[in-house]
Amino acid sequence: RKEVEQDPGPFNVPEGATVAFNCTYSNSASQSFFWYRQDCRKEPKLLMSVYSSGNEDGRFTAQLNRASQYISLLIRDSKLSDSATYLCVVNGAQAGTALIFGKGTTLSVSS
Amino acid sequence: ETGVTQSPTHLIKTRGQQVTLRCSSQSGHNTVSWYQQALGQGPQFIFQYYREEENGRGNFPPRFSGLQFPNYSSELNVNALELDDSALYLCASCLGDRDQAFFGQGTRLTVV
Repeated sequence: RKEVEQDPGPFNVPEGATVAFNCTYSNSASQSFFWYRQDCRKEPKLLMSVYSSGNEDGRFTAQLNRASQYISLLIRDSKLSDSATYLCVVNGAQAGTALIFGKGTTLSVSS
Repeated sequence: ETGVTQSPTHLIKTRGQQVTLRCSSQSGHNTVSWYQQALGQGPQFIFQYYREEENGRGNFPPRFSGLQFPNYSSELNVNALELDDSALYLCASCLGDRDQAFFGQGTRLTVV
């Protein structure tokens, strides 16, 4: 099983749609979880951290399910500008260990 | 599979040596970017190639160089390796003029 696994997509949705991405991780001792956004020719940008209690930032909601070892990202009311690659990122079990990046899920929002 | 593969997956080198990391993309991925991800940090942009020419560079010294080939593969070369070069090196490629990027799984380089 890969350390961090995502459905690569692409997810093609119309403007205004709600779309959800899932990500699974293999190390049950992992402590920190993030979603990054990657645009072509730009550095990946931290979108949001993911907590067990779930967290929301505007149209974006992230959830963590430790029992099933998966993380989700929900985007409501999709905009054209949301088109990008979304990376699931998991920290190692110990402090100071490397971040492990998934290969990304591609979202394409059309008008 | 997104079609972006990197080799090798792991590598150990000695300080002062040179290393070449490889990235293979699908046909049509004419933009490739390389990143260094040190322990516990997010990826740092090294440089980008578009149609075989470098068209963007981050804050990395000249001993980090690259090549992109007509078959959409690319290389990252690092000369005179230093201990601080130990990191995960990621490549990401883009499909033509679209804004979505695809990552490889990375090469974990350890310099001893």
